[in-house]
Amino acid sequence: DIVLTQSPATLSVTPGDSVSLSCRASQSISNNLHWYQQKSHESPRLLIKYASQSISGIPSRFSGSGSGTDFTLSINSVETEDFGMYFCQQSNSWPHTFGAGTKLELK
Amino acid sequence: DVQLVESGGGLVQPGGSRKLSCAASGFTFSSFGMHWVRQAPEKGLEWVAYISSGSSTIYYADTVKGRFTISRDNPKNTLFLQMTSLRSEDTAMYYCASGNFDYWGQGTTLTVSS
Repeated sequence: DIVLTQSPATLSVTPGDSVSLSCRASQSISNNLHWYQQKSHESPRLLIKYASQSISGIPSRFSGSGSGTDFTLSINSVETEDFGMYFCQQSNSWPHTFGAGTKLELK
Repeated sequence: DVQLVESGGGLVQPGGSRKLSCAASGFTFSSFGMHWVRQAPEKGLEWVAYISSGSSTIYYADTVKGRFTISRDNPKNTLFLQMTSLRSEDTAMYYCASGNFDYWGQGTTLTVSS
């Protein structure tokens, strides 16, 4: 199975900061990497698909980059509504594994 | 609007069985593969199972293979997860999600405990 390692586990930031979240795959997955946001007591929400493709309705401050084994989710000027968990997931091969997540919290 | 509504969760004893349902609306259900994903309390997401639009292709996570069965009823726009030989480690919120994970339900909670 492909293992996705997310870092850092926790990111403490102030609104207005710009941040980068990392997701590293145990083997090449091309661009088959997707990012989700999950707020407390809510379902996950797709933010970015196929490493860098934007999703309708998602604010433009969210962007993704990377290919192969190294991927990054960037948030340009964090807003208070952005605090929560962020997960990456690969769809290159079965099982479609998720990373353990990065918690974005208020400093 | 797309809606996915899970049901069927609850308290089950270890070794027991349960069948979850996911009612879909707002899109052409029969044209899309579907997934089940679960999340244990205070844990991350775990992909559980996938079924293609016509049920010809099915995949399971190793942790549930041989115990869980995914199925669908396209005329009734409903996805199912039949779970048997349940264990405490199956305790989780169970979500159904569309094939590209664009849409998720609100989840249904399964607790396996005596």
